[in-house]
Amino acid sequence: GENVEQHPSTLSVQEGDSAVIKCTYSDSASNYFPWYKQELGKRPQLIIDIRSNVGEKKDQRIAVTLNKTAKHFSLHITETQPEDSAVYFCAASKRGRDDKIIFGKGTRLHILP
Amino acid sequence: ETGVTQTPRHLVMGMTNKKSLKCEQHLGHNAMYWYKQSAKKPLELMFVYNFKEQTENNSVPSRFSPECPNSSHLFLHLHTLQPEDSALYLCASSQDGTSGDEQYFGPGTRLTVT
Repeated sequence: GENVEQHPSTLSVQEGDSAVIKCTYSDSASNYFPWYKQELGKRPQLIIDIRSNVGEKKDQRIAVTLNKTAKHFSLHITETQPEDSAVYFCAASKRGRDDKIIFGKGTRLHILP
Repeated sequence: ETGVTQTPRHLVMGMTNKKSLKCEQHLGHNAMYWYKQSAKKPLELMFVYNFKEQTENNSVPSRFSPECPNSSHLFLHLHTLQPEDSALYLCASSQDGTSGDEQYFGPGTRLTVT
């Protein structure tokens, strides 16, 4: 089955600098890669996703890149702000009604003042 | 945010108790999920229901029993739990359960087993 590894588990970044979180997946058939953000005490919420027919996707300060050959994808946050402090989860799944989504273990991002 | 609601928000129960968690979604979705979130295994998928049919049981112990009476409601019945079952239980829904659907999470039920 699919296995998703996420690194680092904790990341501290100076406000204004960039943050990068990396994930690898094992099932080459996976074709959908969402990223969820979970603020302290709140529910996870989708912030960006990418499908396997695209190599990069950007939405304002966040971007995701996908390398299908290497089976890894990354989340990039530029010009970090205090409100970016949260736990970020990557996930991978493949198209199919009964296929399940597998989440990484999460990265706790701290934005330092 | 009222798309996916969960009750109760907090629950403390003894190992011999029987309780139920409730989830309701108001998004017109057809798939619903139960996740367990703990320090050891964040966002661990437990059950998936597609169009009211259980399509996934991720090796969950039988002391957890899901029920999906319709596509808007999902229950998790709990009995004879163990202290290690203490965790945040998150419900989620998506349009039709195919991968490529955004999952909308509820606020969770913080469960403590004493």
